[in-house]
Amino acid sequence: DGGITQSPKYLFRKEGQNVTLSCEQNLNHDAMYWYRQDPGQGLRLIYYSQIVNDFQKGDIAEGYSVSREKKESFPLTVTSAQKNPTAFYLCASSTNRGSYEQYFGPGTRLTVT
Amino acid sequence: AQSVTQLDSQVPVFEEAPVELRCNYSSSVSVYLFWYVQYPNQGLQLLLKYLSGSTLVESINGFEAEFNKSQTSFHLRKPSVHISDTAEYFCAVSDTFGNEKLTFGTGTRLTIIP
Repeated sequence: DGGITQSPKYLFRKEGQNVTLSCEQNLNHDAMYWYRQDPGQGLRLIYYSQIVNDFQKGDIAEGYSVSREKKESFPLTVTSAQKNPTAFYLCASSTNRGSYEQYFGPGTRLTVT
Repeated sequence: AQSVTQLDSQVPVFEEAPVELRCNYSSSVSVYLFWYVQYPNQGLQLLLKYLSGSTLVESINGFEAEFNKSQTSFHLRKPSVHISDTAEYFCAVSDTFGNEKLTFGTGTRLTIIP
């Protein structure tokens, strides 16, 4: 089955700790994205990558970092600099060949206390 | 830059009644438009999209949306809703120049009343 996996489903961390969220896709998609979802605010773009070894900041990149060493993988690190990290994080991917549809993973709910 | 407005944060509807979820967008360039659905604690699934051609697009589960360029709208409709349609619905827009970033609205929570 082709798709996007995110792990873990639920993640708990203490304030001040960095945490890395996993995102893997086997759809052979070139582009990958990270979104943050908060109640009543929709989805906000954190980082995106349109090709391996390249990525760009989205609208709310402060306090986050990413890497794109492999086409299949786009991990997101939530650093201790992120002031309000508790949220639902969604990873997505798409081709660069004109369909413009983004496919989403099941999400990771991060709780920082 | 684009923006998307979903004016209704919550829409309660009786089962088997019709529903319309409103979406308006703002953009200085041509756009592609999307509706996504999200069931509780899950990721988003594409419901339907407008890229070009017929302005009326349909999904396999009875939803339809019409692109209205003059009113910059892409409202989602269903003539008769079911309990299983309870979910959050997001409208999204991207430009047509190969930049595949999507801009999302804040979502509309559709609640079906038995």
